[in-house]
Amino acid sequence: QVQLVQSGAEVKKPGASVKVSCKASGYTFTGYYIHWVRQAPGQGLEWMGWINPNSGGTNYAQTFQDWVTMTRDTSISTAYMDLSRLRFDDTAVYYCARGSNNCPTCGIFDIWGQGTMVTVSS
Amino acid sequence: QSALTQPRSVSGSPGQSVTISCTGTSSDVGGYNYVSWYQQHPGKAPKLMIYDVSKRPSGVPDRFSGSKSGNTASLTISGLQAADEADYYCCSYAGNADLVFGGGTKLTVL
Repeated sequence: QVQLVQSGAEVKKPGASVKVSCKASGYTFTGYYIHWVRQAPGQGLEWMGWINPNSGGTNYAQTFQDWVTMTRDTSISTAYMDLSRLRFDDTAVYYCARGSNNCPTCGIFDIWGQGTMVTVSS
Repeated sequence: QSALTQPRSVSGSPGQSVTISCTGTSSDVGGYNYVSWYQQHPGKAPKLMIYDVSKRPSGVPDRFSGSKSGNTASLTISGLQAADEADYYCCSYAGNADLVFGGGTKLTVL
């Protein structure tokens, strides 16, 4: 079946980096955008950006412009989200989600990963 | 980009209808027909309920409907059921290839 499976929980110290993976299966990985969304404990959803798995092109939300990097490895149908210079308030569940096949700005996230908890703690 | 404005909570009894609003500006909700709605149960990933303002993905009951007027989008749930109790989030295109979510609304089925 169509699914996105994310890597496991992480605990990081402030100032460190974290890389979360998102493995796609059941569909053509390069045919659909992948978006990243995070949710701090007890808080709402925050859109971080998207990557086009076919071209590798990216677009990041302004909030994350200088400290997030989204990449992909088409050989293993996996997308990655790398967040650097972690702060305490980066503690959140990070989700990857499959977007539209041709409209990255439509806000259509039809398949979601299970989420990866990233805890920033000293 | 500021989050879209949603009521923090709404409630209704089984069988009733409720409407959740999502207010933005002419630069996001009012400027494009790219509004979607997500349902999230505790500890679970969000689920797409409505896209392109009023379209339902296959498998979503027709009790869920979406609309938009000016800078405000709305999600209406009719024939409320206990399983509808969840958090609901709106999402809109905000220009410059950016997307923005609403702050979320907790729906309580009394």
